[in-house]
Amino acid sequence: GAGVSQSPSNKVTEKGKDVELRCDPISGHTALYWYRQRLGQGLEFLIYFQGNSAPDKSGLPSDRFSAERTGESVSTLTIQRTQQEDSAVYLCASSLAIGELFFGEGSRLTVL
Amino acid sequence: GENVEQHPSTLSVQEGDSAVIKCTYSDSASNYFPWYKQELGKRPQLIIDIRSNVGEKKDQRIAVTLNKTAKHFSLHITETQPEDSAVYFCAQEGGFKTIFGAGTRLFVKA
Repeated sequence: GAGVSQSPSNKVTEKGKDVELRCDPISGHTALYWYRQRLGQGLEFLIYFQGNSAPDKSGLPSDRFSAERTGESVSTLTIQRTQQEDSAVYLCASSLAIGELFFGEGSRLTVL
Repeated sequence: GENVEQHPSTLSVQEGDSAVIKCTYSDSASNYFPWYKQELGKRPQLIIDIRSNVGEKKDQRIAVTLNKTAKHFSLHITETQPEDSAVYFCAQEGGFKTIFGAGTRLFVKA
């Protein structure tokens, strides 16, 4: 596609449920990033992929968070046993190399 | 580890005045410093960037300066307009990992 695509755009879930967020990067972009943005806050780094490998997972808040990327394309961020503090917009971005990050519209997660 | 400090957190200026946002970083290996603008409810978008081999870059009303010795870089917006109102994030990239500052909320009053 022309840009980074994320789904779902909005997700409301109950505390304790698992959620999966999907990111389709720009075709050919080898680097893929996940960030979390709480309301009115900054961009919190979660994880990035170079190809299918994740050299740096240091930003994942807890072991309830995991991410994978297959075929150097689609990535999935999974949050298990969601908590209310997980409520945020989860932004995905991709880049070709060291340079501009192209962001998706984000997935807004609300945990009740 | 990597860290980017950004100041101020909020900035209010009169239309036509200049706005300056400053960032300091800790990772001396960083060599790419982008600035992103995020309008309300929108995704962040790159507005200007600078690499470590230059000290200044300008694009119309926007300029960025970099001081690698002091590990700080700044965004300058001249002749501000109401549509410049947004949140601005500085960032540093080292080894493909991009870390963002906390953001500056800029208000341009007409």
